[in-house]
Amino acid sequence: KAGVTQTPRYLIKTRGQQVTLSCSPISGHRSVSWYQQTPGQGLQFLFEYFSETQRNKGNFPGRFSGRQFSNSRSEMNVSTLELGDSALYLCASSGRAGQETQYFGPGTRLLVL
Amino acid sequence: DQQVKQNSPSLSVQEGRISILNCDYTNSMFDYFLWYKKYPAEGPTFLISISSIKDKNEDGRFTVFLNKSAKHLSLHIVPSQPGDSAVYFCAAKRGNSGGYQKVTFGTGTKLQVIP
Repeated sequence: KAGVTQTPRYLIKTRGQQVTLSCSPISGHRSVSWYQQTPGQGLQFLFEYFSETQRNKGNFPGRFSGRQFSNSRSEMNVSTLELGDSALYLCASSGRAGQETQYFGPGTRLLVL
Repeated sequence: DQQVKQNSPSLSVQEGRISILNCDYTNSMFDYFLWYKKYPAEGPTFLISISSIKDKNEDGRFTVFLNKSAKHLSLHIVPSQPGDSAVYFCAAKRGNSGGYQKVTFGTGTKLQVIP
């Protein structure tokens, strides 16, 4: 089985721009979660989608949004980028929402200048 | 508010010895705990987990201990191998009103196993 894939792997943007990141879960997995990893902050939960519906949300501003498509692929959007948004964005999939084991993709490294 | 804390950002251990990684949490509603390992340029991979109704879970060289009264868990790796060198994240889960569980991660501990 192919693992979780994320595109692009690296991205450079400037303040005020917006960005869209994509995640393709493992085939058959219906739950996709997004995390932000920054030095000193660990992995911070952004949101979880299951069957095209957001099931859980972390404590991030409304500039961060996401969606899930009928094929379980998910996108995350960040509008009006700020310097502090520079981070590694990780996507994880699991067979069902809340399943204990999540499988992570390699992440998208975003740099905001 | 960091509900899951890993107070040691790094740890160095000699090959063959025991590695002990610690994690503290503040939310008594957490009902499931996990450890993930992360190599550079890769996403975290699941290592081992423990339910809040247990105090120990073992899988090969890896054992997780849970002390609910102290809100503390630890990961023991015996014997440590150079390939274990990675960043280890502790994570905790709790259910929400919709039955879906939210995962909270610690900040990670970088383990270096010296040959």
